Amino acid sequence: RKEVEQDPGPFNVPEGATVAFNCTYSNSASQSFFWYRQDCRKEPKLLMSVYSSGNEDGRFTAQLNRASQYISLLIRDSKLSDSATYLCVASFSGNTGKLIFGQGTTLQVKP
Amino acid sequence: SQTIHQWPATLVQPVGSPLSLECTVEGTSNPNLYWYRQAAGRGLQLLFYSVGIGQISSEVPQNLSASRPQDRQFILSSKKLLLSDSGFYLCAWSEGRTGESNQPQHFGDGTRLSIL
Repeated sequence: RKEVEQDPGPFNVPEGATVAFNCTYSNSASQSFFWYRQDCRKEPKLLMSVYSSGNEDGRFTAQLNRASQYISLLIRDSKLSDSATYLCVASFSGNTGKLIFGQGTTLQVKP
Repeated sequence: SQTIHQWPATLVQPVGSPLSLECTVEGTSNPNLYWYRQAAGRGLQLLFYSVGIGQISSEVPQNLSASRPQDRQFILSSKKLLLSDSGFYLCAWSEGRTGESNQPQHFGDGTRLSIL
């Protein structure tokens, strides 16, 4: 079983749509969670951190359910520029700073 | 503000040749440093991480090695490259504070390595 599991997609949605990505993690000791965005042939960039019960940043909302070991990312009013691969990330137990990256969910927003 | 520099951006090397990729971080002290590889269409694979000068942890057995000669410098090396070493190599850093929940990592622009 993968330590961080995501549906690879692709998710094809029209502009203006709301889309949600889900992610599960296997290590119950994980304390910190993040969503990264990776454009084609580019480095991953931090989109948002997910702490405690989740947080919101503009059109993006991240939710964390520790009991179910489940993280979600909701994107409202999708833009063409949101097209990318979204990586779900969980921290490794301990304080080495190691993170476990999911393989990513690809989003394609179409006009 | 903190910045991370990684070079070169692309590299084409013959099988059996040596490799040296360098990464430097500015604007922070005692960062945690990481080397990842991403094969085409695949996820990130952690290769090495370092919590301090001279301290290197290897995640997977492989043809590569890493060194941290200075606080903010991380080097990925190989004596003889294999075809399977092709990929997108990414250096990353995070805050090196201990005793706190893990911090996000910040990536360099990456090196696209092709082995011929």
